[in-house]
Amino acid sequence: GAVVSQHPSRVICKSGTSVKIECRSLDFQATTMFWYRQFPKQSLMLMATSNEGSKATYEQGVEKDKFLINHASLTLSTLTVTSAHPEDSSFYICSARDLSSLAGSKTQYFGPGTRLLVL
Amino acid sequence: AQSVTQPDIHITVSEGASLELRCNYSYGATPYLFWYVQSPGQGLQLLLKYFSGDTLVQGIKGFEAEFKRSQSSFNLRKPSVHWSDAAEYFCAVDSNQAGTALIFGKGTTLSVSS
Repeated sequence: GAVVSQHPSRVICKSGTSVKIECRSLDFQATTMFWYRQFPKQSLMLMATSNEGSKATYEQGVEKDKFLINHASLTLSTLTVTSAHPEDSSFYICSARDLSSLAGSKTQYFGPGTRLLVL
Repeated sequence: AQSVTQPDIHITVSEGASLELRCNYSYGATPYLFWYVQSPGQGLQLLLKYFSGDTLVQGIKGFEAEFKRSQSSFNLRKPSVHWSDAAEYFCAVDSNQAGTALIFGKGTTLSVSS
C-alpha cells in the first residue's frame, strides 16, 4: 500500500523555539493531507487540512498562527509549531489520500507520527 | 455531523478468549468505516475497512468486523486473543469526500491477561 513518512520521529526543544515537522507521501501524490494531534491516552484530533497550493483549513480552536502549515508540493506538507510551549508537547500524525485510484482514494494512509517534547 | 462512539474505554480479556470491541457511528449516508490499532508510542496500523458489499469484513491479525446498518454499528471481533493484541483500538468513519478527514472514536484500550 501507499506509504507516508514523517520526519523527525521525535524532537525535543526548548520553550520558545519553533519546530518543523515534515510529512511526505513516498509513492503517490497527495493534493490533500491532514494533520492530527494526539495527547497521551487520548484519541486523534484533527488539527487542519493541508491543501497543495492553497491555504490550510484549520479546525475550530486550532491557532493558525501557531501551527503553520505549508503544502508546497504534491508529496510534501510541513507543520511548524511556532514559539513552542510545554503544552504543545504531543504526538503529531499526518495522513494523506492517494487520489490516483478509486481504491486508494477511499483510504487514508497515516505517517508514523512525530513525538514533540517541549521543555 | 459525523461522529463515532466507542462505549468501552478499557477492556480486559484473558488470553485465548474471544473479543468484541464496540463501535457506533452517526452519519447520514453509508459511511466508510475503519478500525485501527495503535501500540504504545507507535503510529496507527489499519486492521480492516468497510466500503460496501459484504457486511462482514476480514482484516489482518485474525480480526473481523461486521457492519450493521440497522444498528449503526461496526463492531470488531477476534475469536482468540493473543497477548500481543494488547493495544489501543480506534474506530473511524469517513464521509468519502476527497477533502475530508477521518473522524475517530475515543478509542478502547485492550489489556490481555494470562
